[in-house]
Amino acid sequence: SQKIEQNSEALNIQEGKTATLTCNYTNYSPAYLQWYRQDPGRGPVFLLLIRENEKEKRKERLKVTFDTTLKQSLFHITASQPADSATYLCAPRHYGQNFVFGPGTRLSVLP
Amino acid sequence: NAGVTQTPKFQVLKTGQSMTLQCAQDMNHEYMSWYRQDPGMGLRLIHYSVGAGITDQGEVPNGYNVSRSTTEDFPLRLLSAAPSQTSVYFCASSYTRLAAYNEQFFGPGTRLTVL
Repeated sequence: SQKIEQNSEALNIQEGKTATLTCNYTNYSPAYLQWYRQDPGRGPVFLLLIRENEKEKRKERLKVTFDTTLKQSLFHITASQPADSATYLCAPRHYGQNFVFGPGTRLSVLP
Repeated sequence: NAGVTQTPKFQVLKTGQSMTLQCAQDMNHEYMSWYRQDPGMGLRLIHYSVGAGITDQGEVPNGYNVSRSTTEDFPLRLLSAAPSQTSVYFCASSYTRLAAYNEQFFGPGTRLTVL
């Protein structure tokens, strides 16, 4: 069955450093991979997506990579700020399928 | 646009009671879904709909019913509440399920406690 893993349940980093979050999937052949941010007490919010034929995608301080051979996506936040503290979810997607989300990584950026 | 709205925000039920969680979207989205989110379990799909009049079961459908009489509304019914249904419930919508690049828009959630 399809399985999605995210590197760790929680990640603590110092302000200004780069945070790197990992999403691994098995028994999947996603055409896209989406990343969401979830703040406490709120619903997830879409951040960005990457296509299977794209190696890297950037949006402001965010960078996502997608390696279909390793079945892995990396999500980077550069120059991290306390306001980046949240839970980040990945969602590998294929056409016509329901959304399935990873369990999330809770990021804490310490001032 | 209000996006995806959910009511109520909080609810406490006694075991055996029934209730309906309301969800509406004003974006003319075809695809709507209900999730529950529990600590350590992530988001799990309960039921989904790909259009008015069409619904189907997700990963954890037992104890829940849905209907989709209009494009806008997708209520979730708890038939006979059990403590195992204590959770945070999210409704979400997307333009279509067919296009893998469409993102989902989530409602603010309903925190349900069953005593």
